[in-house]
Amino acid sequence: KNEVEQSPQNLTAQEGEFITINCSYSVGISALHWLQQHPGGGIVSLFMLSSGKKKHGRLIATINIQEKHSSLHITASHPRDSAVYICAVFWGGATNKLIFGTGTLLAVQP
Amino acid sequence: DAGITQSPRYKITETGRQVTLMCHQTWSHSYMFWYRQDLGHGLRLIYYSAAADITDKGEVPDGYVVSRSKTENFPLTLESATRSQTSVYFCASSEKAQGTQYFGPGTRLTVL
Repeated sequence: KNEVEQSPQNLTAQEGEFITINCSYSVGISALHWLQQHPGGGIVSLFMLSSGKKKHGRLIATINIQEKHSSLHITASHPRDSAVYICAVFWGGATNKLIFGTGTLLAVQP
Repeated sequence: DAGITQSPRYKITETGRQVTLMCHQTWSHSYMFWYRQDLGHGLRLIYYSAAADITDKGEVPDGYVVSRSKTENFPLTLESATRSQTSVYFCASSEKAQGTQYFGPGTRLTVL
């Protein structure tokens, strides 16, 4: 069983739809990353959060430490949001190692 | 241009050959990481470094060697490449131990 699981694995949406990607983890963590990877491309960090909620433009990330769950929301989705979204967690304690989920492939159709 | 760069971007090699992938960052970040990305596995940590001359193994270190003589460079060497090392390799850096990681553009390596 993966320590970081994302759902769904694949998601197709129409432009303008509200999108939610979920991440559940089984270990105690100190912080969680959401990353974006465009096709054939590099990886960009979107958010790092350890509690509550963060917002950047049309992207919102929330985390519930007690339930070991995080969500990434995209409002008013656009075809340029099409990418793989990856959740990653830092183990609690002194480690600086990230454990990654396998990603959610999002396709937003015009 | 400041940032994190990797070279080469694409490499084809043969089984048994030694290959070195380069990573260079201009931020003077203390921490640097090497990951490989494979279908079905996501990103996995190969090695990381907390500072010059300090390195440690990650999840999948076998068959790889790293060094870090200067803060800005973190080369990854495949001592004797195998087909199972065909992958996309990403280098990353961060200022703090659990800080935001900034990723390089990746190196696509094919071992024939």
